[in-house]
Amino acid sequence: QSVLTQPPSVSGAPGQRVTISCTGSISNIGTAYDVHWYQQVPGTPPKLLIYGDNNRPSGVPDRFAGSKSGTSASLAITGLQAEDEAHYYCQSYDSSLRVVFGGGTKLTVL
Amino acid sequence: QVQLQQWGAGLLKASETLSLTCAVYGGSFSAYYWNWIRQSPGKGLEWIAEINHSGSTTYNPSLKSRVTISVDTSKNQFFLRLTSVTAADTATYYCARGRAGPHMDVWGKGTTVTVSS
Repeated sequence: QSVLTQPPSVSGAPGQRVTISCTGSISNIGTAYDVHWYQQVPGTPPKLLIYGDNNRPSGVPDRFAGSKSGTSASLAITGLQAEDEAHYYCQSYDSSLRVVFGGGTKLTVL
Repeated sequence: QVQLQQWGAGLLKASETLSLTCAVYGGSFSAYYWNWIRQSPGKGLEWIAEINHSGSTTYNPSLKSRVTISVDTSKNQFFLRLTSVTAADTATYYCARGRAGPHMDVWGKGTTVTVSS
């Protein structure tokens, strides 16, 4: 049972827009702790996709965007491409003094 | 460009101690926190612990009683020690560089550890 809740899977056709939700609580996202997102292709380590709620590291396309409101956050991917097929994880910090992750969402590009 | 190279024993028996090393190449070692995260087969990510160059540590409360993270600044390396392992500790273990937020921006390739009974 992950501290942050994500849908197990989402899907979309090439060119479409998809969103992945990340629901927390008052002890993490709701306390204004930053939310970060990672992309993981099977067999490889996670790659930082979004940090500080809505910032992209150098090299990450602007098709990826993060947002946060209240106790939830979202990752939006526009102009979906086949290479976007991967697992996506949200991450924040919890008042219990630890880093917490969502359970992950598998994105399938139809 | 910073790179993290990790290594350690990949096969353990139940009750043994897991020991992993992560070496940091390139960039500053003292300016960041250094983390261990694990991923059980087919599962999500679980943060284990973090340490900075001066040895200040934070642990996941669920693992704290069995985990020790340490650092050797002379070699730009940090270490993970997990005692009394069980099959539930079977996972891929990653080392990662921590940034403010906190979040992890550079990851090692991972070390797969299997615990047999």
